[in-house]
Amino acid sequence: EVQLVESGGGLARPGEFLRLSCAASGITFSISWMGWVRQAPGKGLEWVATTNPDGNQKAYVDSVKGRFTISRDNTKNSVYLQMKSLTTEDTAVYYCVSGAHWGRGALVTVSS
Amino acid sequence: DVGMTQSPLSLPVTLGQPASISCRSSQSLVHSDGNTYLNWFQQRPGQSPRRLIYMVSNRDSGVPDRFTGSGSGTDFTLRISRVEAEDVGVYYCMQYTQWPHTFGQGTKLEIK
Repeated sequence: EVQLVESGGGLARPGEFLRLSCAASGITFSISWMGWVRQAPGKGLEWVATTNPDGNQKAYVDSVKGRFTISRDNTKNSVYLQMKSLTTEDTAVYYCVSGAHWGRGALVTVSS
Repeated sequence: DVGMTQSPLSLPVTLGQPASISCRSSQSLVHSDGNTYLNWFQQRPGQSPRRLIYMVSNRDSGVPDRFTGSGSGTDFTLRISRVEAEDVGVYYCMQYTQWPHTFGQGTKLEIK
């Protein structure tokens, strides 16, 4: 059974930093593209970042470029999203995604 | 960015009746490799999204055959042959031919 389990969400103040982690099991992680998708409260879906299996190709939506960094550790079957200079617009549930598989999401709330 | 426009945004359907959701992209979704990268997702209330269809018309494992995806170029359709109560939720199309991957606004399917 495929499982993607996010952790690291929580409350942050504007300008602060948070790091999300996603632990994967049931997939061949080292050959899998991984991504993060977010959903603001009551809103639709937005693809935030993606990385190729080797981790040497990364892409970001414009609204997070320069602030968010996606990375992965294939020895730990994990992908990460480092988020800095957070704003209230970043408040959302962040999903870890690989192909057909989605995690349950991690809630990030940015509020003063 | 490739704009994705879904219609209708709200879809009340009688149980057992068919339903259809349209998704139009602002640019052709045919990739230089000849493939068309268009997915459909279902998000039931309180749940993570679930991929139903990938690459226009390929049904994911476990997806009932009452769900059918079709289309080409810039016009795509998700059809449900006979709506069941478990189909209630929001449906999204998503393109991943170009970065950033972009989603439609979502279509909320409800039972009349």
